Amino acid sequence: EVQLVQSGAEVKKPGESLTISCKGSGYTFSYYWIGWVRQKPGKGLEWMGVIYPDDSDTRYSPSFQGHVTFSVDKSLSTAYLQWRSLEASDTAIYYCARRHGDYIGDWYFDVWGRGTLVTVSS
Amino acid sequence: EIVLTQSPGTLSLSPGERATLSCRASQSVPSSYLAWYQQKPGQAPRLLIYGASSRPTAIPGRFSGSGFGTDFILTITRLEPEDFAVYYCLQYGSSLTFGGGSKVEIK
Repeated sequence: EVQLVQSGAEVKKPGESLTISCKGSGYTFSYYWIGWVRQKPGKGLEWMGVIYPDDSDTRYSPSFQGHVTFSVDKSLSTAYLQWRSLEASDTAIYYCARRHGDYIGDWYFDVWGRGTLVTVSS
Repeated sequence: EIVLTQSPGTLSLSPGERATLSCRASQSVPSSYLAWYQQKPGQAPRLLIYGASSRPTAIPGRFSGSGFGTDFILTITRLEPEDFAVYYCLQYGSSLTFGGGSKVEIK
């Protein structure tokens, strides 16, 4: 079964750093783009960007460029989302999701993790 | 950036009724690269439709998608109790953007 398993909920203070993870299984992790999607409490979905595990090619949404960093460890089949300095406005659920394929017609997300709740509060 | 506007914001219907949800794009979505997702409270989104009208094998036939250019529709022919949820459209023909969502609630 294709699965993405995300790390557990986090509670942090403003200014702290954080890395959350997303581990893929049931498929060849290196060859499928992984995307990150934010959902603020009670709000809709926002695309943050994607990373290709095989070569770490990364595309950020302009709205998130410079505030977060994507990375991967192919040997662990795991993708990471990192913040250097959290803000209260980063409070949200963060989903990782697998892009269906390389061809643009397959750029939708077909498999999703269950999400990681990040709470930033002083 | 292509902006997606979903309507209505909330649709109140009874089980067995037909739901019609709209997703309108600010400019033409290339090659109708548009997907629909269902999200229930506390759950991750689930893919319902891709390529505007294609359905993954695990998705029931009561869900269908149509449209092209700037206007897309998700239709649920007869609502089952488990269909009451929030629905999002996603265009992936020019970068990626999500619509704001439409909630289908029990009347």
